[in-house]
Amino acid sequence: AQSVTQPDIHITVSEGASLELRCNYSYGATPYLFWYVQSPGQGLQLLLKYFSGDTLVQGIKGFEAEFKRSQSSFNLRKPSVHWSDAAEYFCVAKEYGNKLVFGAGTILRVKS
Amino acid sequence: EAQVTQNPRYLITVTGKKLTVTCSQNMNHEYMSWYRQDPGLGLRQIYYSMNVEVTDKGDVPEGYKVSRKEKRNFPLILESPSPNQTSLYFCASSEGFNNQPQHFGDGTRLSIL
Repeated sequence: AQSVTQPDIHITVSEGASLELRCNYSYGATPYLFWYVQSPGQGLQLLLKYFSGDTLVQGIKGFEAEFKRSQSSFNLRKPSVHWSDAAEYFCVAKEYGNKLVFGAGTILRVKS
Repeated sequence: EAQVTQNPRYLITVTGKKLTVTCSQNMNHEYMSWYRQDPGLGLRQIYYSMNVEVTDKGDVPEGYKVSRKEKRNFPLILESPSPNQTSLYFCASSEGFNNQPQHFGDGTRLSIL
């Protein structure tokens, strides 16, 4: 069955440190891939998306993600985390003609 | 401003008392869907609609109903709510079904006592 795995439930990083959130997908073919962020009390905001082409995707708020077909991964990165980045992050996959499948989410805490 | 608007944002109610959560989008999107979010489970799709008068079940449709009489509105109906439907609910819309990212509302937190 199609699935998206985010292995880390919680991650804590210091402000100014780099960040990498992991995401692995299990699909027969490469799905469309998204990262969303959910701030407390808010809906989900799209950070970036990958459909095809360049495997390094730039998003909003200084985030980027790299698609690696060989590892079935789509990890989210940011070089320097700000306190306002504290939120829950969801990796999401979608196969053509099928519905969105969400990972369980990773909660990011930022310590000063 | 492009928006998906849900109401109410918070509701506490009792078992068996019918309730409706409204969802409206102003982007003329064809595709709309409802999700519930529970800790450790991410978002799970309840129902979706490809267009007016076209709705279908998602992963967890039991205990819910929807309707799509107009393009902009997609209400979620709980005919006889139960405590296991206590959750955070999100409505979303997108221009199409396939490669278009979805726009999410701010969520409705339901507590069923």
